[in-house]
Amino acid sequence: QVQLVESGGGLVKPGGSLRLSCAASGVSLSDNYMNWIRQVPGKGLEWLSYISDTGYTIRYADSVWGRFTISRDNANNLLSLQMNSLRAEDTAIYFCARDSRPTAGIYDYWGQGTLVTVSS
Amino acid sequence: SYVLTQTPAVSVAPGKTARITCGGDTIGRKSVHWYQQKPGQAPVLIIYYNDDRPSGIPERFSGSNSGNTATLTISRVEAGDEADYFCQVWDNIRDHCVFGGGTKLTVL
Repeated sequence: QVQLVESGGGLVKPGGSLRLSCAASGVSLSDNYMNWIRQVPGKGLEWLSYISDTGYTIRYADSVWGRFTISRDNANNLLSLQMNSLRAEDTAIYFCARDSRPTAGIYDYWGQGTLVTVSS
Repeated sequence: SYVLTQTPAVSVAPGKTARITCGGDTIGRKSVHWYQQKPGQAPVLIIYYNDDRPSGIPERFSGSNSGNTATLTISRVEAGDEADYFCQVWDNIRDHCVFGGGTKLTVL
């Protein structure tokens, strides 16, 4: 059974940094395209980034390009999102999700999300 | 960048049919996926490739896509269908995922 569990969220000041993790079980991250998606509570979904199965292809949404970095630790089956220069508008619930068909955006498994609050 | 437009809210009586639309420029040429999200939960994939259903999703949920509009149809609506519904496509030009703004379905 596939399970994705995010962690690392919390309260951070504007300009600060935070590193989110997504621990996977039942699926090998190195065989899958993995994504980060966020949602301001009560609002819509915003795609942020994906990393290919090989790790050679990485894409970012314009809103986070240059500030966020996606990465993967194959040995520990862990997906990460390093978030720097955080802004109030980055406050959201952050989900990791598996794309079942590479770059089709068919997200069949999601984590439960981790809340990031950027506030002074 | 590619934009998907959804009606913010739809209301329907139990047992009736709900139709949730997703508008986009020539969206009929793209593959559209749909997610259901209930409060406090992660989204759940309910339709992919316009009209396919993952295992476990009731046949009451169906999709179509043509021209500039994709439609999620929920037949014989139940109270448990009350949720937010999001459409989504892949922008092949930018190699990015795009979500619609979401539609809140209220069961009267």
